Amino acid sequence: GAGVSQSPRYKVAKRGQDVALRCDPISGHVSLFWYQQALGQGPEFLTYFQNEAQLDKSGLPSDRFFAERPEGSVSTLKIQRTQQEDSAVYLCASSLGANGNTIYFGEGSWLTVV
Amino acid sequence: AQSVTQLDSHVSVSEGTPVLLRCNYSSSYSPSLFWYVQHPNKGLQLLLKYTSAATLVKGINGFEAEFKKSETSFHLTKPSAHMSDAAEYFCVVSGPSSGSARQLTFGSGTQLTVLP
Repeated sequence: GAGVSQSPRYKVAKRGQDVALRCDPISGHVSLFWYQQALGQGPEFLTYFQNEAQLDKSGLPSDRFFAERPEGSVSTLKIQRTQQEDSAVYLCASSLGANGNTIYFGEGSWLTVV
Repeated sequence: AQSVTQLDSHVSVSEGTPVLLRCNYSSSYSPSLFWYVQHPNKGLQLLLKYTSAATLVKGINGFEAEFKKSETSFHLTKPSAHMSDAAEYFCVVSGPSSGSARQLTFGSGTQLTVLP
């Protein structure tokens, strides 16, 4: 596609519910990133994929967060047993190569946990 | 380790006047530096990037930034503000390629308001 596409754009979840957020990166992009942006804050790194390999998950805040990219293109970020502190915008980004390329961001998935 | 400090959380200017958004960084190696802009309900858009070439970097929409190693600064400027420049601006530092990940570390953002 022309840009990074994320769905759903908006999600309201009840506390304790599981959610899945989808990211379609730019076609052919090797690198895929997930970031979390809390209200009034800058985005914070969650995890990084190079093709299907999850090479860095150091930013995932707890074991309730899980990300996958099984075929090296579309990625899903799953949050289990959502808590109110999980409310944030979840940004997906991709870049062409493994290093040194411009990173392009999607518009984000806005998650509100009530 | 690397970090970014945006010195102003809010900046307000009149249309047609200069814009200055301040950013200081900390990095234990030669960093790559970026400015991103985020309009309401929109994705982050890259304005410009510094990757150890020319210290004065020109970006889109008339923005530019100057890398000053001695001051560890990367301030964003524009000679004349336009109403459409009103948005949130993020200064970002990237570490060297590690072979495993190239994380971006974002500042907390500066909200730019442009008054008519």
